[in-house]
Amino acid sequence: KQEVTQIPAALSVPEGENLVLNCSFTDSAIYNLQWFRQDPGKGLTSLLLIQSSQREQTSGRLNASLDKSSGRSTLYIAASQPGDSATYLCAADSGNTGKLIFGQGTTLQVKP
Amino acid sequence: EAEVAQSPRYKITEKSQAVAFWCDPISGHATLYWYRQILGQGPELLVQFQDESVVDDSQLPKDRFSAERLKGVDSTLKIQPAELGDSAMYLCASSRGQGANTGELFFGEGSRLTVL
Repeated sequence: KQEVTQIPAALSVPEGENLVLNCSFTDSAIYNLQWFRQDPGKGLTSLLLIQSSQREQTSGRLNASLDKSSGRSTLYIAASQPGDSATYLCAADSGNTGKLIFGQGTTLQVKP
Repeated sequence: EAEVAQSPRYKITEKSQAVAFWCDPISGHATLYWYRQILGQGPELLVQFQDESVVDDSQLPKDRFSAERLKGVDSTLKIQPAELGDSAMYLCASSRGQGANTGELFFGEGSRLTVL
């Protein structure tokens, strides 16, 4: 059974700092790992999808890596901005239906 | 850019009443999901459709929840009767893929339910 854990639950950094969000999963037999952003009261916005054959994906200031053997993924945010303040969720697929199992999320606050 | 449409955005109801949520996935997406998210937690899958067929409803409280996707396009999630513990965000998502590798999921804005 897939379980996904995100640490830390909350993070506060000054503007301009580079930061790393962590995600771990228990079942390495995944097809995909996906990172999402969620603003308060809103739905989830897909940030990056990493397929199991890939080691990393990049979009702008975001870089996500995947290490299936250790069951870990990281989301690196470069030069953080106050607009990056949100909750970041990672999710790994599970079983033969491909359903996504989510972590609890990391709530990021970037202070001006 | 194509989006997943959900309605209503907000719903306030009294316990024991019936509520319904509607979702229209991105055109051409075979797989549709309903997730429930309690404040401060990650979303949890309620039901997953591939075309019009249910492929996973193991976490759906079937005594009060029902979901359908009759023509394999849009979907309705119903709760009857609503209970206080049903207060949550109900999120719909869709993906192009099928089977074990469903690919990237795209979510709607969600329907926030408050049960009084």
